[in-house]
Amino acid sequence: EPEVTQTPSHQVTQMGQEVILRCVPISNHLYFYWYRQILGQKVEFLVSFYNNEISEKSEIFDDQFSVERPDGSNFTLKIRSTKLEDSAMYFCASSAQGRANTGELFFGEGSRLTVL
Amino acid sequence: GENVEQHPSTLSVQEGDSAVIKCTYSDSASNYFPWYKQELGKGPQLIIDIRSNVGEKKDQRIAVTLNKTAKHFSLHITETQPEDSAVYFCAASMGGQNFVFGPGTRLSVLP
Repeated sequence: EPEVTQTPSHQVTQMGQEVILRCVPISNHLYFYWYRQILGQKVEFLVSFYNNEISEKSEIFDDQFSVERPDGSNFTLKIRSTKLEDSAMYFCASSAQGRANTGELFFGEGSRLTVL
Repeated sequence: GENVEQHPSTLSVQEGDSAVIKCTYSDSASNYFPWYKQELGKGPQLIIDIRSNVGEKKDQRIAVTLNKTAKHFSLHITETQPEDSAVYFCAASMGGQNFVFGPGTRLSVLP
């Protein structure tokens, strides 16, 4: 069964450093997402991406964050100058359909980011 | 924007009993309501969903009901089993890409 894969599964970084979280969405999917889940809290939308550009983003997704699809298979989330409060589980998701026909979101297993 | 509330935050049931989790949403334009199950250390997995043109949907032991007038939807799990223990999230979407999740319900099924 096709799945969304994420790397690394866990990353520890020092405050102020940059991190890149990587995702390989399901191959025939066209819509890609990043969500964040702070420990014990709900899953929060960060950004959606379609046709090589951001289609929606939340208030959380400020200038510290960026996304990229560098090579047609990977979808990355870059967090610049990490802060303690960026510590969370970051989930990548993809779907075959988007705005017009809401489709199922397939989530990866997450990348846990710990900022010290 | 959309706001999704979910109750209860924790729920314990005896194996074989039913479990019901309820969600409310604020934006009447929302038209897609999925339910996700999240096991420890894993990503959320879709277990059932319902669209606004349907009032009820069932898949084996799991059912979801939607009341558009009252803007609430519920997840029903019958004949619960220990493997149903997990955190369950409801979500709402306005046919777009920003799925708004509820805060989650931790379900424990006691043997």
